[in-house]
Amino acid sequence: TQLLEQSPQFLSIQEGENLTVYCNSSSVFSSLQWYRQEPGEGPVLLVTVVTGGEVKKLKRLTFQFGDARKDSSLHITAAQPGDTGLYLCAGPAGGTSYGKLTFGQGTILTVHP
Amino acid sequence: DAGVTQSPTHLIKTRGQQVTLRCSPKSGHDTVSWYQQALGQGPQFIFQYYEEEERQRGNFPDRFSGHQFPNYSSELNVNALLLGDSALYLCASSPPGTGDYEQYFGPGTRLTVT
Repeated sequence: TQLLEQSPQFLSIQEGENLTVYCNSSSVFSSLQWYRQEPGEGPVLLVTVVTGGEVKKLKRLTFQFGDARKDSSLHITAAQPGDTGLYLCAGPAGGTSYGKLTFGQGTILTVHP
Repeated sequence: DAGVTQSPTHLIKTRGQQVTLRCSPKSGHDTVSWYQQALGQGPQFIFQYYEEEERQRGNFPDRFSGHQFPNYSSELNVNALLLGDSALYLCASSPPGTGDYEQYFGPGTRLTVT
């Protein structure tokens, strides 16, 4: 079973600060996805990274896939209260192209005004 | 363009009862997956349906069953409910040809078992 471990579990920062969330595994993933989930709602897909070393930017969010495709990071620049939520990384379980996604346990981010 | 929809939004059931949750995928999507999310945790995969058949299954007992209809909508059934089945149940759909690269989630059904 491929596992994803996220760190930190909780992050509480002030508006304007930068932060990085990490997603690590001992297994190789064919791709990794990042989701953001707000209370009472389903996860919303932010990005998919597929190629080792790939970097994708989404406004103030920068996503990186490790060269060995075993880890990923999410960096937020100048965080805003609207960034508050649960951030989840996920990848195809078992290295297969079809089927289940395995999720990390999530990082709860709180950005204070 | 409607996204993934789920019904009902909330549900309260008694231990031992049975429940059916419903999901309509995003337009153009043919694959539906179901997840269980306990409070403060990441979603756990239950199973996935494609072409009206269960294609993959996670570590959930046979009390959890499902169905996919010709219009790609899906149902999740849980029999003999336990208190531990209380959770947010999420449905996700995927477009053709992407495998599980990208899954789009509905808002979920919050199930409370008393």
